[in-house]
Parts: sequence; C-alpha cells; structure tokens
Amino acid sequence: QQQVKQSPQSLIVQKGGISIINCAYENTAFDYFPWYQQFPGKGPALLIAIRPDVSEKKEGRFTISFNKSAKQFSLHIMDSQPGDSATYFCAASINTNAGKSTFGDGTTLTVKP
Amino acid sequence: DVKVTQSSRYLVKRTGEKVFLECVQDMDHENMFWYRQDPGLGLRLIYFSYDVKMKEKGDIPEGYSVSREKKERFSLILESASTNQTSMYLCASSPAIRASGNYEQYFGPGTRLTVT
Repeated sequence: QQQVKQSPQSLIVQKGGISIINCAYENTAFDYFPWYQQFPGKGPALLIAIRPDVSEKKEGRFTISFNKSAKQFSLHIMDSQPGDSATYFCAASINTNAGKSTFGDGTTLTVKP
Repeated sequence: DVKVTQSSRYLVKRTGEKVFLECVQDMDHENMFWYRQDPGLGLRLIYFSYDVKMKEKGDIPEGYSVSREKKERFSLILESASTNQTSMYLCASSPAIRASGNYEQYFGPGTRLTVT
C-alpha cells in the first residue's frame, strides 16, 4: 500500500511559468513533509519542508501548500527556470528515533527556455 | 557541510556474487539509511539504523543485509546478487530527531549497481 502518492510523473513548463506538483498521504501520524530536489548524477537534497500546523511555507520561488483535512500537499515553483529542471520527490516523515521517511515516486520537471 | 560518501559510483557484479556497498558520513549523525531508486518507483527504503549496531528493516529488505560497526559507517550487503537488484543505491544520514528536531536526510551521490 503506497502511503505517499505523487503526481504528475512528468511535467513540462515554459520558462517563467508555474510548476505545480501534488502529493497525497494516508497516515495521519506523519508530522513532517519535505520536498527533495535531485539533479542527474547527484543524490536528492532538501529543498523545502513544512510541518502540519502550518498551511503554507514560502522560500524564494518555492512554496509548499498544505491541506491537513484533505491529507494533501503541493509544491509550487514560481517563475520556473531551466535550472529548475530536475526530479522532485515529496516525502512524509514520522517522529520516531530515525524520523523514517516515505517518498513519493518522483516528478521529472523540464523547464523549456 | 554534511558530506555523505559512497565507496563506488559504478559497480558491475555477476549473479551470485557477494556485494558490499559502503557509506560514510562525517557529521556524527545517529541515523543512516539505505534506499534503492528505480525509475517510476521513487526511493524505497531497504534498511535503516538509528545507532551503532542497531538496525531495522525498511520496506524492501529481502535479499539485503546491513552492518553498522561504527557510527560513521553503514554498509549494505547483497549476500548473493541477482539481476533484479540492478539499481541505483542511495545512502543517507540524519541527526537524532529528539535532539535536533531536524528530520532532514543528507544523501550521498549514489552507487549504480549492475548485476549481470
């Protein structure tokens, strides 16, 4: 049973446009929701994260919107740039000793110049 | 900066071989993780460790084992490699949650393993 569902699988956006990636989770015990960005040949790196007591978090051009009642959260990339072309993973973590995370399947974003 | 290093970027092994993938982190993190990454399947957790010599199974532990004899080093072992274990393997580390309140995982660059 997949606990974190991510969509779309791939996304093509024109430079300057808005990229939106959505995730849905099932387990209400999750209490930390990060987004990771991965460039080819590199490991994923934390981009932005949110906790469930906040409905929105913004860092520069990147915003997470969080809907606790719907168990959904999304990443918005404003003014998308070719340098944003990467694979994006949402995740959900539980407050245990290790903070184990469950990842979505990933979204490959291509921003066309 | 946190650095997580993996012993090999590319590895080619034969079916039935015993394979060791090594991961080292330099930030004194308590937690370490092994994932495999396959196209369209995201990152799937194989094993994790929250302390030296402590380990727990992740979502797909079958065919794998791990070892953590020192805090900075976490090894993934394929006892008898099979072709369906051809994949990208990612190691990650994170600080103790209760001490730091920080869930962020720091990833290594990955090892692309091909089993022929």
